[in-house]
Amino acid sequence: DQQVKQNSPSLSVQEGRISILNCDYTNSMFDYFLWYKKYPAEGPTFLISISSIKDKNEDGRFTVFLNKSAKHLSLHIVPSQPGDSAVYFCAASLTQGGSEKLVFGKGMKLTVNP
Amino acid sequence: KAGVTQTPRYLIKTRGQQVTLSCSPISGHRSVSWYQQTPGQGLQFLFEYFSETQRNKGNFPGRFSGRQFSNSRSEMNVSTLELGDSALYLCASSLGHSPGYTFGSGTRLTVV
Repeated sequence: DQQVKQNSPSLSVQEGRISILNCDYTNSMFDYFLWYKKYPAEGPTFLISISSIKDKNEDGRFTVFLNKSAKHLSLHIVPSQPGDSAVYFCAASLTQGGSEKLVFGKGMKLTVNP
Repeated sequence: KAGVTQTPRYLIKTRGQQVTLSCSPISGHRSVSWYQQTPGQGLQFLFEYFSETQRNKGNFPGRFSGRQFSNSRSEMNVSTLELGDSALYLCASSLGHSPGYTFGSGTRLTVV
């Protein structure tokens, strides 16, 4: 049972345009949602997070939107740059007894064309 | 400051053997988690350690085990290796004050 889903395996956009990455989840108990970026042969790098009680968080070119009623979140990258080309993972955080566990989607490959 | 360090980076083992992977967290981080990444299943949670105690465990068989030392360094062991254990094993550490983890670059395990 996949609790975090990234339904699109890939996305290609032109440099300077907006990239929108989507993620759906099923478990209402998640307390945070996070986006990670991953290059080949490297570990995931934290990008941005949002608390389940918020609906928007912005950090520079990156904005994450959360729609709790739809159990949906999205990452907007504006403007997109070729260096943003990577695999992006959506993750949901579940904290129980002080221990945090991340549940990841399967990732989406973003290609930003110059 | 130094990041999360995992050794070795690459490993090739034969079916039936056992393997130990090592992780040194960021200095001051007491929580260490392990994840397995495979093309089919994505990133899956193995277990989390805090102050030498396993606090949380994912849905992996008992062949997968780990431990944490008093200096927060952690090891993960897989016994009786199977071909399906071939994966990138990622270690991550956290202070525990904010969500998310800092990941290491991983150990690429290939079982032949």
